[in-house]
Amino acid sequence: GDSVTQMEGPVTLSEEAFLTINCTYTATGYPSLFWYVQYPGEGLQLLLKATKADDKGSNKGFEATYRKETTSFHLEKGSVQVSDSAVYFCALSDRGYSTLTFGKGTMLLVSP
Amino acid sequence: DSGVTQTPKHLITATGQRVTLRCSPRSGDLSVYWYQQSLDQGLQFLIQYYNGEERAKGNILERFSAQQFPDLHSELNLSSLELGDSALYFCASTPEIGRAEADTQYFGPGTRLTVL
Repeated sequence: GDSVTQMEGPVTLSEEAFLTINCTYTATGYPSLFWYVQYPGEGLQLLLKATKADDKGSNKGFEATYRKETTSFHLEKGSVQVSDSAVYFCALSDRGYSTLTFGKGTMLLVSP
Repeated sequence: DSGVTQTPKHLITATGQRVTLRCSPRSGDLSVYWYQQSLDQGLQFLIQYYNGEERAKGNILERFSAQQFPDLHSELNLSSLELGDSALYFCASTPEIGRAEADTQYFGPGTRLTVL
């Protein structure tokens, strides 16, 4: 079945540091890939998505590129802020209207 | 604000009891999904409805059931509650199949269930 593997956290960074959160997936076919973010005490918010190979999703300074050859969708940001502290979930959907398979989430802690 | 609403925000109840969680999808969205988030299991898909019909089932216990009503809101019913059912329950919605962003799920703020 489908699966998503994320690097374990917490990831602890100082403000303005570079962020990478690794995500790899296993799926049959050509899934859509997503990053969701969950701030403390809140629900999940869509951060970015990519629907086909080599697509780059971007939002709020975060980027991720759909790499079919390495089955990866790593999240990056050039300069993190304290307000980016949250849990980040990588997810896939194996067809347009199907359910999401989530990774276990990676907690990011950014200190001033 | 995603446009998906869930009530109640918090629910505290006792083992053996039954509760109902409510979800209203974004305006115009036909599909509703329910997920359970717990510390040990992470985010797990429970069940999906599309325009009133059950479309997909995930790791949903037999003690749990759901339905989607003609106005498209959905309810998740949890019965014979156990301590292990304590979790955050999210619903999400997507537009009609074939429309733009039909692959993107928008999540509500969740209902935190505590079973004592």
